[in-house]
Amino acid sequence: DVVMTQSPLSLPVTLGQPASISCRSSQSLVSSDGNTYLNWFQQRPGQSPRRLIYKVSNRDSGVPDRFSGSGSGTDFTLKISRVEAEDVGIYYCMQGTYWPPWTFGQGTKVEIK
Amino acid sequence: EVQLVESGGGLVQPGGSLRLSCAASGFTFSSYWMTWVRQAPGKGLEWVANIKQDGSEKYYVDSVKGRFTISRDNAKNSLYLQMNSLRAEDTAVYYCARGRGLEYWGQGTLVTVSS
Repeated sequence: DVVMTQSPLSLPVTLGQPASISCRSSQSLVSSDGNTYLNWFQQRPGQSPRRLIYKVSNRDSGVPDRFSGSGSGTDFTLKISRVEAEDVGIYYCMQGTYWPPWTFGQGTKVEIK
Repeated sequence: EVQLVESGGGLVQPGGSLRLSCAASGFTFSSYWMTWVRQAPGKGLEWVANIKQDGSEKYYVDSVKGRFTISRDNAKNSLYLQMNSLRAEDTAVYYCARGRGLEYWGQGTLVTVSS
């Protein structure tokens, strides 16, 4: 199984400042079709998860442009350009290249300092 | 608007069974893979199972193989998860999600396995 490792696991941030979350996979996520199936999800306190980013860098509809995804191969990053109060929650990466199983990272908790 | 509404959770004794349902609306259900994901209390997300549009392919996480069965009824726009031989470690909120990319999620239903 592909292991997804996120860092940090806890990220205190100041409102208006940038934040960055790393996600590393145990093997390259480049698929035989040329796509890289790496998604990012946000789970606000008490809510269901919501997809933010698909295939590394594509924002889902309605996702603010302060969220961006980047990376390739085994190293990926979710960046928030300026953290707002509504961004508090847990962020997960997930790979969908080598399945089954589809695998998630452990989650990174973003909180306001 | 895409909506996914799970139901069927509850308290069950170890070794017991439950059947979860997910009612889908706002999209052509028969055109999408569907997925179950769970989250144990205070823990992260775990992919559980998914099923192809016509039900011809089904995949499970190792820990539920032989105990859980995923199915769907495209005429009723519904997804199901039959859970047998439940264990304490199956205690979690179970979410249904659209697609293999999990582009939309339901609100979840809590399954508690305890004596």
